[in-house]
Amino acid sequence: DQQVKQNSPSLSVQEGRISILNCDYTNSMFDYFLWYKKYPAEGPTFLISISSIKDKNEDGRFTVFLNKSAKHLSLHIVPSQPGDSAVYFCAARGSGNTGKLIFGQGTTLQVKP
Amino acid sequence: KAGVTQTPRYLIKTRGQQVTLSCSPISGHRSVSWYQQTPGQGLQFLFEYFSETQRNKGNFPGRFSGRQFSNSRSEMNVSTLELGDSALYLCASSFGQGNGGYTFGSGTRLTVV
Repeated sequence: DQQVKQNSPSLSVQEGRISILNCDYTNSMFDYFLWYKKYPAEGPTFLISISSIKDKNEDGRFTVFLNKSAKHLSLHIVPSQPGDSAVYFCAARGSGNTGKLIFGQGTTLQVKP
Repeated sequence: KAGVTQTPRYLIKTRGQQVTLSCSPISGHRSVSWYQQTPGQGLQFLFEYFSETQRNKGNFPGRFSGRQFSNSRSEMNVSTLELGDSALYLCASSFGQGNGGYTFGSGTRLTVV
């Protein structure tokens, strides 16, 4: 039972264009969502998060959108840079103060110069 | 400020042995969560410790255990190692309440031969 899904294993975009990474979830009790970037053999690096009471959060080139009715969130990276090439994970937290995050399977982003 | 420190970075163990991994959280963080990353299963939650108490537990066998000390440092133990336990083990620290980043360490790469 995969509660958080990233249906696109990979995405390739041109430098300077927009990258859109998608994530779907099934549990309406999730109250907090996060995006991480990861390189092989390293720990995930936090990018941006959003509370379930909001529908958008922006931080520099990164914007996360949350559509609660569709149980869908997306990460927009504008403009994309070659250094953004990595695996991106979305994660969801159950309601309440907990350190338990449920991760999607990840999407490998390649930004071509 | 110092990040999350995991030791050792690499480990090679023989099937049937036991292993202990260590995680030192960011100063002031009271929650430490542990995750296992494998190519086939992605990032899976093992357990969370908050103020020296296990607050959440994932679906892993009893061979996986942990503890947290009064200074919030945490250890994870795996007994009777199996080949399938080969993975990257990651810990994440957070304040344990409210919304905020969950900061990951660089991980311990465990290889069971």
